[in-house]
Amino acid sequence: AQSVTQLDSQVPVFEEAPVELRCNYSSSVSVYLFWYVQYPNQGLQLLLKYLSGSTLVKGINGFEAEFNKSQTSFHLRKPSVHISDTAEYFCAVSEAAGFQKLVFGTGTRLLVSP
Amino acid sequence: KAGVTQTPRYLIKTRGQQVTLSCSPISGHRSVSWYQQTPGQGLQFLFEYFSETQRNKGNFPGRFSGRQFSNSRSEMNVSTLELGDSALYLCASRLGQANVLTFGAGSRLTVL
Repeated sequence: AQSVTQLDSQVPVFEEAPVELRCNYSSSVSVYLFWYVQYPNQGLQLLLKYLSGSTLVKGINGFEAEFNKSQTSFHLRKPSVHISDTAEYFCAVSEAAGFQKLVFGTGTRLLVSP
Repeated sequence: KAGVTQTPRYLIKTRGQQVTLSCSPISGHRSVSWYQQTPGQGLQFLFEYFSETQRNKGNFPGRFSGRQFSNSRSEMNVSTLELGDSALYLCASRLGQANVLTFGAGSRLTVL
């Protein structure tokens, strides 16, 4: 079984500052990794995914993440945040085979202030 | 290209009633998954359907059921509603086993 840990429930940051949202996972098999963002009263939007290949993954809205197999981490980064990045961010993992469910972390609320 | 459409967006029910939620996937997508989101339990997997067959199921009681039609549209049903069933129910679709889910905006259920 897989599990995901997002240690930070909330991350406050000033506009134009860099940010890193941490995600660690646990799995005994190969996995796919994802970051989703959720704005108020909306569903989940895919930011980026790691399926295979390069460990540095670039996504939408200037976000990127690095897959680190030895540290079982998939941290999300953005060099300069905007007010509009204020949202809830979810890290998710699934087995890399068949019709596998997504297992989500508890989420990190990113609060960007001016 | 239209996204994943969920109806209704909001609904209020009372304990003991049942509810049916609908999900229309992206055109061409044959897989539909359902997730429950609550403040206490977070995002939890309910079930996934592909070509009208349930492929995977989460750890929810039998009161939670679903089905998929030949046009890939899906419905989920919750019978004998409990207060704890109040949640945002999210539907997601994907083309096949590609594991990249596209989510709808959700149906927010409030049980009084």
